[in-house]
Amino acid sequence: SQQGEEDPQALSIQEGENATMNCSYKTSINNLQWYRQNSGRGLVHLILIRSNEREKHSGRLRVTLDTSKKSSSLLITASRAADTASYFCAPLDSSYKLIFGSGTRLLVRP
Amino acid sequence: KAGVTQTPRYLIKTRGQQVTLSCSPISGHRSVSWYQQTPGQGLQFLFEYFSETQRNKGNFPGRFSGRQFSNSRSEMNVSTLELGDSALYLCASSFDRRTSYEQYFGPGTRLTVT
Repeated sequence: SQQGEEDPQALSIQEGENATMNCSYKTSINNLQWYRQNSGRGLVHLILIRSNEREKHSGRLRVTLDTSKKSSSLLITASRAADTASYFCAPLDSSYKLIFGSGTRLLVRP
Repeated sequence: KAGVTQTPRYLIKTRGQQVTLSCSPISGHRSVSWYQQTPGQGLQFLFEYFSETQRNKGNFPGRFSGRQFSNSRSEMNVSTLELGDSALYLCASSFDRRTSYEQYFGPGTRLTVT
């Protein structure tokens, strides 16, 4: 079964708006990573947050992690049409497996 | 640095045949992982190789196998292909799990089984 589960499954916003995606997972983790995938291509690593961190920023990305609730969120601020993609959270579990969720499909309308 | 490369990019095979996919990791990366992506099951972990040894394995039947060479290049093999094996197969390399273990993905091999 999937370890990371994203919510919502699909999100449609206007360019310039913020996009928030949530992720829940089931077991203890070493870190949690977020990836982006453009239409049927390889995944691109976006950001990593360690299990002892609560929040991390990278450019327009902000990630939070709540290990007590086993959840994470990814915020993309001031979205652009080029942000249109699928976004996956991937907890790195204690056996060092990256377990991907089903992803959030983000559509940013110009 | 050159990125992760996968060959071939597209492949069409018939049920019952076998297939070998190849992955060249980023220079200096010793860990190579393989994933299967399908619309129904999403991204599923197949296995990971490190220093020519399988270090981790997902829940796939024995028809799926892999290996890693001394130069860290990796191959995965699927024998007795089934229609359900049609998928995008992604390879990812990483420096080592003792660091952050960020994965760098290749563009994938799209396998179609007819």
